Formats: sequence, C-alpha cells, structure tokens
Amino acid sequence: AQKITQTQPGMFVQEKEAVTLDCTYDTSDQSYGLFWYKQPSSGEMIFLIYQGSYDEQNATEGRYSLNFQKARKSANLVISASQLGDSAMYFCAMIFTGTASKLTFGTGTRLQVTL
Amino acid sequence: DAGVTQSPTHLIKTRGQQVTLRCSPKSGHDTVSWYQQALGQGPQFIFQYYEEEERQRGNFPDRFSGHQFPNYSSELNVNALLLGDSALYLCASSPVWGQGESPLHFGNGTRLTVT
Repeated sequence: AQKITQTQPGMFVQEKEAVTLDCTYDTSDQSYGLFWYKQPSSGEMIFLIYQGSYDEQNATEGRYSLNFQKARKSANLVISASQLGDSAMYFCAMIFTGTASKLTFGTGTRLQVTL
Repeated sequence: DAGVTQSPTHLIKTRGQQVTLRCSPKSGHDTVSWYQQALGQGPQFIFQYYEEEERQRGNFPDRFSGHQFPNYSSELNVNALLLGDSALYLCASSPVWGQGESPLHFGNGTRLTVT
C-alpha cells in the first residue's frame, strides 16, 4: 500500500532560522510526484513546492526547498529564514501513476515560529 | 482572478439529515476534487469530477455523491449524516485532466458539524 509518513507532529523554530520538516513515503511505483502544502488556521491548503520522481535536481521555490532522496524514499521540506507567518500546518502529499490529480496526504506537522 | 470558492463556510446538521456543499473552481480550471479532513488528520480524497462525470473515487460510501455543472462548478452531497461525517470539506481544482504535476488549488473549505 502507498503511504506517506510525517513523524513530527509539532516543531518549533526561531524567527530567521532554517527548519526541516520530514516526510517519508512508501511505494513500489517508479513514477510519482511529491507536493508540500501549507495550511494556516483559515483552512485553505496552499501549494508550496513540487518534485517529480524523475527530476534530477531538488526543487526550490523562494525560501522553500525540497531535499529529495529517492533511494531513502524521503522528501523533506526545508524552510530558510523562517518568518512568523510561516506558523501553520504543513502537509506532505503524493500523487501516483494513474491517479491523475488524486493526492495522498500525510498527517501533517504543526510548525510554530517564535521570536 | 478569483481562486476556488466554497459555500457555506460553516454548517451544523443533525444526524440523519442531508447536506449539500458547493464549490466554484479557479478560473480556467475544469477538474474538481473533493477531500474530507477530519480534525488532526490530513485530507482524504472523496472523488473527482471532469466533464460532468465522476472520474475517480476514494474509499467513501455511496452516501457521498456529487455533481459537476457545465460551468465546472460542483456540489458534494452527503445523505444520512453520521457524527463521523463532521469534518472540514475541501474542494480543489486543477487546470487539466491527467496532468499529475499540476498543483491542486484548494478553497478555504466548509466546516461541517453533525450533532
């Protein structure tokens, strides 16, 4: 069965510091995509970054980067220079071959940025 | 450019009742998906609509049904409500059917409480 695991229910980081949110996955598929979404208290899921399983370089989007280690089946999100507005729930999600836009989500990590 | 809009934002229903949730996709998007997010969990895929037909379905009972209209907007209907149906219901849209790397754009959700 395909599964996403986020082992950190909660994380704290000081403003302006970097933080890594962990995500591991289990699949026998060779073709898949990895997403990270941010969910503030308003409830909306905000797309942050995408990595395809065949992409050779790690994805980056501004302060967000994805540390993709295919052999270890991990796709950790790195947020650099944390800001107070980064406080939110963060979800790792995957899309698998043949499932079009159907995402499978992890259980999420709550990030709290402190002064 | 309006994003994904959902209505209502909050809803309280009694066990056994029926409920209809509504979603308008982001402009230019033709595929709509629905997700259920229980408290403290990641979203779970309910189903997806494209060209007014249900294209994929998650592990949800037939009490959950949907519809897509010619203008791409969508409804989620839940019959015979159970207490366990209490959750945040998220609508997501994407631009093209079958392109898995297209990030889903989510609405703010409808918070359903069943008493």
